[in-house]
Amino acid sequence: EIVMTQSPATLSVSPGERATLSCRASQSVSSNLAWFQQKPGQAPRLLIYGAFTRATGIPARFSGSGSGTEFTLTFSSLQSEDFAVYYCQQYNNWPLTFGGGTKVEIK
Amino acid sequence: QVQLVESGGGVVQPGRSLRLSCAGSGFTFSSYGMHWVRQAPGKGLEWVAALSYEGSSKYYVDSVKGRFTVSRDNSKNTLYLQMNSLRAEDTAVYYCARYTFGGVIVPGYWGQGTLVTVSS
Repeated sequence: EIVMTQSPATLSVSPGERATLSCRASQSVSSNLAWFQQKPGQAPRLLIYGAFTRATGIPARFSGSGSGTEFTLTFSSLQSEDFAVYYCQQYNNWPLTFGGGTKVEIK
Repeated sequence: QVQLVESGGGVVQPGRSLRLSCAGSGFTFSSYGMHWVRQAPGKGLEWVAALSYEGSSKYYVDSVKGRFTVSRDNSKNTLYLQMNSLRAEDTAVYYCARYTFGGVIVPGYWGQGTLVTVSS
């Protein structure tokens, strides 16, 4: 199974700031990498798939990059509604696997 | 719009069984593969199982192989997860999710989840 490792576990950011989350795969997943946002009490929401393609309705301030084993999710300017937990997931191999998550909190 | 509604969760004793259902609407259910993903209380997401659009290909995480079975009834637009020999560590909110679109298996649309508690 492919192990996904996210860093940092928690990121404290002020609204309006730029922020970057990292996700590393234990072996290459090509570009088969997705990012999800989850707020308390809600189901996850797909943000990015194919490493950099935004899902329907996702604002341009979210961007994904990377391939192989190293990936990043970047917020160009954090908004109040962006404070949440973010998960990466590889879908290159079964079983699909998620990273442990990064909590983005208000500084 | 795409809607997924899970049901069947509840409290069950260790070793017993439970069947979850997921009703899909707002899309052609028979054209999409489906997932089950779970989240233990206060923990991260864990992918559990997936099923192809016609039901012929099934995939499971190792921890549930031989105990859980995923199936679907396309005539009823419903996905199922039969869970046998339940353990305390199966306690979680179980989400069903739809493949984003035909060629992309990423869980793109999610239900609100149903809570399964395994406890004596």
